[in-house]
Amino acid sequence: SQQGEEDPQALSIQEGENATMNCSYKTSINNLQWYRQNSGRGLVHLILIRSNEREKHSGRLRVTLDTSKKSSSLLITASRAADTASYFCATDGLFSGGYNKLIFGAGTRLAVHP
Amino acid sequence: DAGVTQSPTHLIKTRGQQVTLRCSPKSGHDTVSWYQQALGQGPQFIFQYYEEEERQRGNFPDRFSGHQFPNYSSELNVNALLLGDSALYLCASSLGTGPHEQYFGPGTRLTVT
Repeated sequence: SQQGEEDPQALSIQEGENATMNCSYKTSINNLQWYRQNSGRGLVHLILIRSNEREKHSGRLRVTLDTSKKSSSLLITASRAADTASYFCATDGLFSGGYNKLIFGAGTRLAVHP
Repeated sequence: DAGVTQSPTHLIKTRGQQVTLRCSPKSGHDTVSWYQQALGQGPQFIFQYYEEEERQRGNFPDRFSGHQFPNYSSELNVNALLLGDSALYLCASSLGTGPHEQYFGPGTRLTVT
């Protein structure tokens, strides 16, 4: 079963607007990562936030993490048509033996209209 | 610096057949993980290879098996294909097995008819 749940499932905005996507998860984590996927192709890594961090920025991206609520948000500012894609959050749990695996949510489909 | 590569890009197989998918990790990476992504869903973890051994496995039947070679490249084998095995198969590489960033390849689209 998938641990992460993204909200909303789909988001449609105009160029220049901000897009906010949320992710909730169930178990304790080491890190939370956000990925982008264009048209069913490979995943592109966007940002990794560690469990002891609360906020992280990368260009037009801002990620927050609230471990007490087991939730994260991804904000894309001043969106562009090229940002149209599916966005996934992925968590890696505290597994024994030091081996990690990423657990993904179902994703948010973002459409940015010119 | 080459990223993660996968082959083939697309594949069409018939129920009951067997398939082998291949992955070369990003230069310098030694760990390979495989994921299955059904249409409209997020990727599901299949298994992870490190030092040529399967280190962790997701909730997939024994029909799914793999291998890692001394050069860190990896294969995913699926036997007795079912229609439900139709999906995008993604390979990801990382340095070590710990909680590190994973780099994904473009995927192999498998269609079972």
